[in-house]
Amino acid sequence: DAKTTQPPSMDCAEGRAANLPCNHSTISGNEYVYWYRQIHSQGPQYIIHGLKNNETNEMASLIITEDRKSSTLILPHATLRDTAVYYCIVRGGANNLFFGTGTRLTVIP
Amino acid sequence: NAGVTQTPKFRVLKTGQSMTLLCAQDMNHEYMYWYRQDPGMGLRLIHYSVGEGTTAKGEVPDGYNVSRLKKQNFLLGLESAAPSQTSVYFCASSLEGGITEAFFGQGTRLTVV
Repeated sequence: DAKTTQPPSMDCAEGRAANLPCNHSTISGNEYVYWYRQIHSQGPQYIIHGLKNNETNEMASLIITEDRKSSTLILPHATLRDTAVYYCIVRGGANNLFFGTGTRLTVIP
Repeated sequence: NAGVTQTPKFRVLKTGQSMTLLCAQDMNHEYMYWYRQDPGMGLRLIHYSVGEGTTAKGEVPDGYNVSRLKKQNFLLGLESAAPSQTSVYFCASSLEGGITEAFFGQGTRLTVV
């Protein structure tokens, strides 16, 4: 699985869009980009995943660059409950999710 | 549906004691995983299973054993607990291994003194 690079922390004003970047320059053609988040000390929660096209669900949008070397998770209207650690994971067929240390997003009132 | 349930939620062990952590899922998932998370770090895979009766080592398997006798259950055993095993343990399951989303339990906080 390709390694990912994320900023260690970010702040976002409540109600604004939160844009969380992730670099995965060594991603290979069959590897998906996954995003999970971990609120406080709870178990990680799946958010979204994609291969090459942009994806959107009820939680977030995932924008993947054309060369697939980076992606951005967008929370369109951040709330205080979105304060969490966000993990960007690149995964192919391996039986593991390599979490790294993620980005700690703090939503500010 | 309960999803993924871990038992117990908290435990304090003395060095050298043994214990078993239980993970149960009701989603008929084939794949199950045990992770540990130490302060300020991401999750690291201990062992995983790709189906009933099968297990495999992850990144940090030493000091742990696992069993998957039933599809819905994945047990993590510590035969002789050490302070270095103080951690939060998470179990997860997924329908398939490669590209499907994983569902996580709420964790077991283990302290070894």
